[in-house]
Amino acid sequence: NAGVTQTPKFQVLKTGQSMTLQCAQDMNHNSMYWYRQDPGMGLRLIYYSASEGTTDKGEVPNGYNVSRLNKREFSLRLESAAPSQTSVYFCASTFFLISYNEQFFGPGTRLTVL
Amino acid sequence: AQKVTQAQTEISVVEKEDVTLDCVYETRDTTYYLFWYKQPPSGELVFLIRRNSFDEQNEISGRYSWNFQKSTSSFNFTITASQVVDSAVYFCALSEVSPNSGGSNYKLTFGKGTLLTVNP
Repeated sequence: NAGVTQTPKFQVLKTGQSMTLQCAQDMNHNSMYWYRQDPGMGLRLIYYSASEGTTDKGEVPNGYNVSRLNKREFSLRLESAAPSQTSVYFCASTFFLISYNEQFFGPGTRLTVL
Repeated sequence: AQKVTQAQTEISVVEKEDVTLDCVYETRDTTYYLFWYKQPPSGELVFLIRRNSFDEQNEISGRYSWNFQKSTSSFNFTITASQVVDSAVYFCALSEVSPNSGGSNYKLTFGKGTLLTVNP
C-alpha cells in the first residue's frame, strides 16, 4: 500500500496564479482532510470530507476550494494564490465508523507564493 | 469550541534525560479521542498513540508513556531516557464532533506543537 500520496511535493507560484493539489489514498478510508502548517501555528484544518460526496469547511477555508472526486481522491484548489498561502499542505485520511481512528498523513506539499 | 494547549513551545534536554510534554484540552463532547503525533526534521507526521475518553489507563510503549487524566483535562507524554532520534516536533490533537453531522463525523484540533531537541 502506498498510503496517502500527494502531488506535487514542491511548487512555486506567482500571486494570482491557480493550482490544484492532488491527494489520493489506497486504504479504503471514508474521511479525508486538508491541513496547512505554518511556523508556530500547528496544523490548521482547511477543508474535510466525511465521506464521498460531502465536503465541509474547516478552520481556515478562505481562498480554497475542494473536490472529493471519488472515495480515493480529494483535491485542494487555490483559485488565485496569495503570498499568505505560502505554507506546507498536508492531506490526511482515516476510517470512521463507530470509533474514530488515527489519521494517516501524506508527505506534504511545500508551496511558495511570490 | 475545542481547544488544545501545548504550553511548552520548545524543550531542550541532554540525552538520557527524561522529558514530559504537556497537553491540556477543552471539550464539551462526552465522547472524544486524543492523539499524539511526531514530526521529525524530515517533515512527515507519524502517529504515536490514540486514546478514547472512556479509557483512562496510562499506556507505556518502550521508552514512551502517556498519562491521561480527565479530572485535569490533560494527556501528557513522557519520554524516558531520551535519545537524539527523539528530536522532533510533537503534536497533541483532540477529536471534535463535526457540527451538523449528528455525531457521524469527527475532525481533529491540533495543538501548536512542542519542539523537542535532544542534545548528545
